[in-house]
Amino acid sequence: DQQVKQNSPSLSVQEGRISILNCDYTNSMFDYFLWYKKYPAEGPTFLISISSIKDKNEDGRFTVFLNKSAKHLSLHIVPSQPGDSAVYFCACAGNMLTFGGGTRLMVKP
Amino acid sequence: DTGVSQDPRHKITKRGQNVTFRCDPISEHNRLYWYRQTLGQGPEFLTYFQNEAQLEKSRLLSDRFSAERPKGSFSTLEIQRTEQGDSAMYLCASTRGTQVNTGELFFGEGSRLTVL
Repeated sequence: DQQVKQNSPSLSVQEGRISILNCDYTNSMFDYFLWYKKYPAEGPTFLISISSIKDKNEDGRFTVFLNKSAKHLSLHIVPSQPGDSAVYFCACAGNMLTFGGGTRLMVKP
Repeated sequence: DTGVSQDPRHKITKRGQNVTFRCDPISEHNRLYWYRQTLGQGPEFLTYFQNEAQLEKSRLLSDRFSAERPKGSFSTLEIQRTEQGDSAMYLCASTRGTQVNTGELFFGEGSRLTVL
């Protein structure tokens, strides 16, 4: 059973526009939520996180939103840049991180 | 380079052979995690250590998989009698204490296994 799902395997966005990546989870015991970014031939790198007691966290161009009642989180990137092209994983934290399947973001110049 | 180091980066083996991967975490990181990633999927948790103690191993995929961290520093992941379905990227990550919640989980570049 997949506890964390990213239903969009890919997303294409024009440079300068907003990218919105979505993630759904099923386990209400998760207490921290994170987004990781992965380039080819590299391990995932941490991008931004949010505690379950908050509904929004912002860091520069990146904002994560959490809707606990819907068990849904999203990552907004504004404005999108070609260098943002990568695979993005959401992850939910207990004793370990449980990852979604990833969304490949392509930002076109 | 003071990041998480994994060796080898790529291993090609024949079905039925044993393979071992090594992970050197960031120094002073007492928690070490192993994940597996297959094509088009997210990292899948396998096991983790707090110092030398293996705190969770029920997610190891079968009894052919085993991991050790004998001195609380580097770790090894061994797969015995490899099968073609074991072909994947094996990722190691480390962190200090319980900071997995803050995102301070640092991943290595992974060891890619190809079983022929």
